[in-house]
Amino acid sequence: GNSVTQMEGPVTLSEEAFLTINCTYTATGYPSLFWYVQYPGEGLQLLLKATKADDKGSNKGFEATYRKETTSFHLEKGSVQVSDSAVYFCALSARGGSTLGRLYFGRGTQLTVWP
Amino acid sequence: KAGVTQTPRYLIKTRGQQVTLSCSPISGHRSVSWYQQTPGQGLQFLFEYFSETQRNKGNFPGRFSGRQFSNSRSEMNVSTLELGDSALYLCASRDGGGDTQYFGPGTRLTVL
Repeated sequence: GNSVTQMEGPVTLSEEAFLTINCTYTATGYPSLFWYVQYPGEGLQLLLKATKADDKGSNKGFEATYRKETTSFHLEKGSVQVSDSAVYFCALSARGGSTLGRLYFGRGTQLTVWP
Repeated sequence: KAGVTQTPRYLIKTRGQQVTLSCSPISGHRSVSWYQQTPGQGLQFLFEYFSETQRNKGNFPGRFSGRQFSNSRSEMNVSTLELGDSALYLCASRDGGGDTQYFGPGTRLTVL
């Protein structure tokens, strides 16, 4: 089946620290992979995506590389800011059939950045 | 383009009542998916509509239903509300050819 596992939170960092949030997946077929971010009281915002092996998605200083051999899509940022405090979700979209229109999400990782 | 909009943003209902939530997708997007978000269960898929047809459905009871109109706007309905239906309900739209979903701000439903 299709599933996503991401590291348990919460994650607490000081400003300018390095961030890694681990995400691994299982999927039938060849999925697309996403990171979404949710700020308090809001919906999910697309942060970045990758659609094939070795693709690197990047946005706002965040990066993630689609690793087929390790079935992983870890999120990284070199220097976090207080404004990055939010919940981060890893997700996959499988190809077709009974998975149409459905994203499979991890449980989310709460990130808090202190000044 | 305007983003996905959802109305209302907040709702308070009592057990046994029913509720209808509305979602307007990004212009040109014909697919709308609905999700329920709770602290205990996380993000769970409800259903997906494309061109007024339900193409996929998650593992929710029949009290949860939806529909899509010819302008791609979608509604979901929950009948006979239970306390456990309290959640953030999110809708997302995508164009038919892609797999990237764009989310609305959600409707926060509280059942008392």
